[in-house]
Amino acid sequence: EVQLVESGGGLVQPGGSLRLSCAASGFTFRTYWMSWVRQAPGKGLEWVANIKQDGGEKYYVDSVKGRFTISRDNVKNSLYLQMNGLRVEDTAVYYCTRGRNCFDPWGQGTLVTVS
Amino acid sequence: EIVMTQSPATLSVSPGERATLSCRASQSISSNLAWYQDKPGQAPRLLIYDASTRATGVPARFSGSGSGTEFTLTISSLQSEDFAVYYCQQYNNWPYTFGQGTKLEIK
Repeated sequence: EVQLVESGGGLVQPGGSLRLSCAASGFTFRTYWMSWVRQAPGKGLEWVANIKQDGGEKYYVDSVKGRFTISRDNVKNSLYLQMNGLRVEDTAVYYCTRGRNCFDPWGQGTLVTVS
Repeated sequence: EIVMTQSPATLSVSPGERATLSCRASQSISSNLAWYQDKPGQAPRLLIYDASTRATGVPARFSGSGSGTEFTLTISSLQSEDFAVYYCQQYNNWPYTFGQGTKLEIK
């Protein structure tokens, strides 16, 4: 069974940092693009970033460029999102998801609260 | 950035009836469109990709159509588990963008 399990969320003050992790299992992690998508409370979905299989290509939504860094460890089957300079508007559930263009499956998400 | 607009915002339909959800792109996205189902407390679920291809395990009552700028998700004969929020998403241009969602509620 394909599983994605996020961790690392929590409460942080504006300007602070957090590192999200996503543990992947049940599939050959190193052969897939991976992505982060977020959902602010009561709001819709927003694609945040994605990363190629070998980490050689990374893309970000403009609102997080220069502040967030996506990375992966294909030995540990893990995806990461380093978030610096956090803003109130970054408050959201962050989902780890498999895929480059469309996303399947999704983890349960981890809540990041900036306040 | 491509803006995705979904309509209606809320759709009230009785179980067993058909639901038709719309999604419009601000410019042509060919068939590079996906639909997701989002239920409270659950991870979003991919239903349709490439505008009309059902994802693995998705029941046949879900169907997608359209190309260019106009797209439709149809759910024939609604089941109780289908009441949720549905999002469309384009992957033709960076940044990939989602619609604001359509809430499908029980009438």
